[in-house]
Amino acid sequence: KQEVTQIPAALSVPEGENLVLNCSFTDSAIYNLQWFRQDPGKGLTSLLLIQSSQREQTSGRLNASLDKSSGRSTLYIAASQPGDSATYLCAVPMIKAAGNKLTFGGGTRVLVKP
Amino acid sequence: EAGVAQSPRYKIIEKRQSVAFWCNPISGHATLYWYQQILGQGPKLLIQFQNNGVVDDSQLPKDRFSAERLKGVDSTLKIQPAKLEDSAVYLCASHLAGSGRSTDTQYFGPGTRLTVL
Repeated sequence: KQEVTQIPAALSVPEGENLVLNCSFTDSAIYNLQWFRQDPGKGLTSLLLIQSSQREQTSGRLNASLDKSSGRSTLYIAASQPGDSATYLCAVPMIKAAGNKLTFGGGTRVLVKP
Repeated sequence: EAGVAQSPRYKIIEKRQSVAFWCNPISGHATLYWYQQILGQGPKLLIQFQNNGVVDDSQLPKDRFSAERLKGVDSTLKIQPAKLEDSAVYLCASHLAGSGRSTDTQYFGPGTRLTVL
């Protein structure tokens, strides 16, 4: 059974600092790894999707790395802004699972202080 | 492109009552998912539809939860009777193809926040 863990559960940083969010998974038989953002009272918004054959993916200030062999992914957010305050979730669809079933981590709640 | 629509956005009921949630996926998306997200946790898949057929309902508490996707478009999730532990956000998501090999992601609706008193 796939287990996805995110550490830390919560993070508070001053504006301008870089954010480092960690995600680990127990079963490396995955198609890809996805990072989502969730604002309070809202649904999930996809940030980055890294294919299992890729090592990293970048979008603007966001960079996500994937190390399948060690079961880890890291999301870096450069020069954080108060608007980055949200919960960040990582998720993986497993090759062994039907369809595109995603297993989620518990999320990291981020607060960027002005 | 319109996103995934869900209603109602909020619902408060007493335990043992019934409740239903509605989801309209993105047009043309074959796969539809219902997730349950308890406060402070990540979403957990309840049921997955491919068109109007069930692909995975292994984590759906079938003694009280039911779901249907008539005509392969809209979907309804029902809880009857509700328990206190059903208090959560119920998220609907859709995906173009439903294959894990896809480079596309799932698109999520805003969710329905259920409070059971």
